Amino acid sequence: DSGVTQTPKHLITATGQRVTLRCSPRSGDLSVYWYQQSLDQGLQFLIQYYNGEERAKGNILERFSAQQFPDLHSELNLSSLELGDSALYFCASSALAGRTDTQYFGPGTRLTVL
Amino acid sequence: AQSVTQPDIHITVSEGASLELRCNYSYGATPYLFWYVQSPGQGLQLLLKYFSGDTLVQGIKGFEAEFKRSQSSFNLRKPSVHWSDAAEYFCAVGADFGNEKLTFGTGTRLTIIP
Repeated sequence: DSGVTQTPKHLITATGQRVTLRCSPRSGDLSVYWYQQSLDQGLQFLIQYYNGEERAKGNILERFSAQQFPDLHSELNLSSLELGDSALYFCASSALAGRTDTQYFGPGTRLTVL
Repeated sequence: AQSVTQPDIHITVSEGASLELRCNYSYGATPYLFWYVQSPGQGLQLLLKYFSGDTLVQGIKGFEAEFKRSQSSFNLRKPSVHWSDAAEYFCAVGADFGNEKLTFGTGTRLTIIP
């Protein structure tokens, strides 16, 4: 158990819908990262937050957005869902935002878009 | 931009045999390198990491990896595999200050036969 929790574990929804994925980082960790794992794209970095502020963006679609709240939990919002958004979404956290900080991954949320 | 190549998509090894998983990276400066393991239905667990110093790094579960700058490689090894090692293994490279994302390889699926 990494100490990172993600809810829900599974999510099944329809095209065009909007969903919210939630992540609670390890106690004391200030950085949160979101990654998407799909069969065709592999593991891709989406976005990073540090202490409530957006720190880095990766291959995140405009239909997706995220935020980190004062209690440091984070939410990833996916809207106007398409079939291709079906994937496993991971959240990771690290103590600070340094290159040497280990990222600890949650168990993931599996999103299925029908 | 950094990249990681894992040339072996799938490897099958007999229980008790030795294992080597290959990883090649591309990065302009000194890389920060990681190996993660993903068991079915689980998140990613860090096996080991290399930041600097000794090029032979010891990790959890009896794994080790060797950083070879001249070959741009960071291969993962284990002298004797156990059935519980069956999983998917990902090599990753860390990025720059201000964007601490991980760039992952495509993964190597390890099957253990009795």
